[in-house]
Amino acid sequence: GQQVMQIPQYQHVQEGEDFTTYCNSSTTLSNIQWYKQRPGGHPVFLIQLVKSGEVKKQKRLTFQFGEAKKNSSLHITATQTTDVGTYFCSGNNRLAFGKGNQVVVIP
Amino acid sequence: GAVVSQHPSRVICKSGTSVKIECRSLDFQATTMFWYRQFPKQSLMLMATSNEGSKATYEQGVEKDKFLINHASLTLSTLTVTSAHPEDSSFYICSARSSGREQYFGPGTRLTVT
Repeated sequence: GQQVMQIPQYQHVQEGEDFTTYCNSSTTLSNIQWYKQRPGGHPVFLIQLVKSGEVKKQKRLTFQFGEAKKNSSLHITATQTTDVGTYFCSGNNRLAFGKGNQVVVIP
Repeated sequence: GAVVSQHPSRVICKSGTSVKIECRSLDFQATTMFWYRQFPKQSLMLMATSNEGSKATYEQGVEKDKFLINHASLTLSTLTVTSAHPEDSSFYICSARSSGREQYFGPGTRLTVT
């Protein structure tokens, strides 16, 4: 069946630096969605990508869908303490099977 | 964004009893609802997918007789943990979505079985 994996699972990022998290699928996806879960909170929808090679930006966040529609990346520039949390991706409307990407920001 | 509520937010029950958790989509009709379980500092684990008016589809390893799911309307799904045991203590989160749209998550229910 479809497997969606996220790498890395944990990141410690210095405040002000950039980082990228990746989501890889074993099969071609019709869409991919990104969610963020703050510590103690519930996942919140960030964005959906549908087209091959699509790139979308939300302020300091850049989301990209691969040309083959089997992988996606989330790049955050100038990391802030508010970026702490776990980032999940969901392929074809199902959450990735994995731990997501837990991001810790070092002030 | 759309709003999904869960009730109760916290529940403590004795071992052997059953607990019902409600998930409601407040401002949209949810054709599909998902139930997840999350352990501390762990990922969300999908337990089951339910479509309104049909039987839920359970993930491998999830006991359907223990975790009863009902999705009787487009705005309500319930998860009943039957004969709860301490190992069932966890954070249960539901999500809801309309056809082809993103998921909106409820705030979660913290279940503690003593």
